[in-house]
Amino acid sequence: AQSVTQLDSHVSVSEGTPVLLRCNYSSSYSPSLFWYVQHPNKGLQLLLKYTSAATLVKGINGFEAEFKKSETSFHLTKPSAHMSDAAEYFCVVSPIYYNQGGKLIFGQGTELSVKP
Amino acid sequence: EAGVAQSPRYKIIEKRQSVAFWCNPISGHATLYWYQQILGQGPKLLIQFQNNGVVDDSQLPKDRFSAERLKGVDSTLKIQPAKLEDSAVYLCASNHGFRDRDHNEQFFGPGTRLTVL
Repeated sequence: AQSVTQLDSHVSVSEGTPVLLRCNYSSSYSPSLFWYVQHPNKGLQLLLKYTSAATLVKGINGFEAEFKKSETSFHLTKPSAHMSDAAEYFCVVSPIYYNQGGKLIFGQGTELSVKP
Repeated sequence: EAGVAQSPRYKIIEKRQSVAFWCNPISGHATLYWYQQILGQGPKLLIQFQNNGVVDDSQLPKDRFSAERLKGVDSTLKIQPAKLEDSAVYLCASNHGFRDRDHNEQFFGPGTRLTVL
């Protein structure tokens, strides 16, 4: 069975400081992993994805994530937070084998607040 | 490239009433997904279509929810009758297909926010 645990429901940082959003996954197979961002009253936008190539994945807006199989983690980081980064972030796992249909399994979300 | 379109954006109904949501996926996308996102939670898959066939509807409450994708393009999700716990945002997503690991990201529409009173 596949599952995702986001370790923090809310993270608050000051503008210009690093961001760390933590995610652990559970999967019987090597999964695809994603981070999506959801701004208020807007749709979900893909930040980055891991699909078994490089373990360090770079995404949009300066975000990156590292796939660590030994720790079953896929933490999201950014060196310097911007006010526009304030949003809800979802860590997502997707099984890759045929009979699972490619559905996305979402974590509970982490709300990122950025203080001036 | 136009994104995933959904309508209406907001809907308020009373319990036991019926409601329908519409989704138009990105042109050429064979796979269409409906998700339910309850406030404070991550989205949960309700149903997945591949062209006009159902791939996964294991989490769809079939006693009250139904969905169709008759011509393999647009899709409609219906709730009849609605309950208070159906208040949520209903998200539609699409992609080319799920078997290509390197191109399996889903593209989401803006969602329909349903309030059941």
